[in-house]
Amino acid sequence: GQNIDQPTEMTATEGAIVQINCTYQTSGFNGLFWYQQHAGEAPTFLSYNVLDGLEEKGRFSSFLSRSKGYSYLLLKELQMKDSASYLCAFMDSNYQLIWGAGTKLIIKP
Amino acid sequence: IAGITQAPTSQILAAGRRMTLRCTQDMRHNAMYWYRQDLGLGLRLIHYSNTAGTTGKGEVPDGYSVSRANTDDFPLTLASAVPSQTSVYFCASSSGATSTDTQYFGPGTRLTVL
Repeated sequence: GQNIDQPTEMTATEGAIVQINCTYQTSGFNGLFWYQQHAGEAPTFLSYNVLDGLEEKGRFSSFLSRSKGYSYLLLKELQMKDSASYLCAFMDSNYQLIWGAGTKLIIKP
Repeated sequence: IAGITQAPTSQILAAGRRMTLRCTQDMRHNAMYWYRQDLGLGLRLIHYSNTAGTTGKGEVPDGYSVSRANTDDFPLTLASAVPSQTSVYFCASSSGATSTDTQYFGPGTRLTVL
């Protein structure tokens, strides 16, 4: 079967670093996506990983290990505007996205 | 318009009524999708369309229908609404269906069925 899991909620301090983990199980894999979703808004694309390793994009980085079925999103120099939900999703063999329930990130001053 | 638009923004609907949620994109994307988002659950695919004239069922298609008469529009119809269809509905599009292209989302429609 297919499943994907990420923590429900995390809290971090402004200026700090936070790592949001995502684990998945699937027989067919075409990459791992991370989206950001502010409350009441649409999800917006952050990153895509299909090969193992770290992809860095400014303050945000995303890591993938296909053998472990594991990814993480790393947010550095946290700002209050980073308070949002972070959704991970893998693309299955039919090119459809299977979504986690999202991790709500709370940033405290 | 730029990107994806959805209408209405929100709607309260009596159970048993018929409702069509509208979605339009101006990016000339081939693929379009309808998702529902419920608290504590991930986005769930309702229906999708790989290209104009074709549609397919997603994970939770029951009670919903779609059509794709042209590239830009992808309406979602609830034939007879039930309270369990209370949710936030997102339309999305991507340039290719059988590819790893990024999906772009509309602003969503918040639907309450009483």
